[in-house]
Amino acid sequence: DAGVIQSPRHEVTEMGQEVTLRCKPISGHNSLFWYRQTMMRGLELLIYFNNNVPIDDSGMPEDRFSAKMPNASFSTLKIQPSEPRDSAVYFCASSLIAESSYNEQFFGPGTRLTVL
Amino acid sequence: GNSVTQMEGPVTLSEEAFLTINCTYTATGYPSLFWYVQYPGEGLQLLLKATKADDKGSNKGFEATYRKETTSFHLEKGSVQVSDSAVYFCALKGSNYKLTFGKGTLLTVNP
Repeated sequence: DAGVIQSPRHEVTEMGQEVTLRCKPISGHNSLFWYRQTMMRGLELLIYFNNNVPIDDSGMPEDRFSAKMPNASFSTLKIQPSEPRDSAVYFCASSLIAESSYNEQFFGPGTRLTVL
Repeated sequence: GNSVTQMEGPVTLSEEAFLTINCTYTATGYPSLFWYVQYPGEGLQLLLKATKADDKGSNKGFEATYRKETTSFHLEKGSVQVSDSAVYFCALKGSNYKLTFGKGTLLTVNP
């Protein structure tokens, strides 16, 4: 079974450039999450989608960040313009019915973003 | 709100030593509890989980028991291997979608 797929695995870009991160959740999962991991702040939830609809985007740092989920098998996280402080590992995760306490989240391998 | 407190480490052990990583939580209701493991350069993987009080989760020689009376979910392994070197996250999930993580504990096992 394929797990959560993320691309690219590594991205190096220059300040001011647009960055797009991609995620394919596990087939049949209706909940999708984007997280950011840094040494300073640990794991932060950026946004949560349920059935392709954004439910909670309170963790999105600022207007430079946007996320979409056009269908059940694809989501993007875009940063425009990127800044050096956006350098982090970005994880996508998916789960069945997220509101059930029994259901764990399955994480992708992450995208390591470096903004120079 | 919900919160998770775990040993911050780092923890350094010799191969075949006994491992305990402490985790305590604060939550309302009846949450599920999880341990995730993150190997270097990889994403988080579910190691084990327990969904109700007194449940024991186990996997790959690791165990943790959901103790409601002490609000704890300590991770243990009787004999660690070099390949167990990773960061371990304790996590809690209540009746909404949010997974609350501890800060993570870095484990290094030396041969």
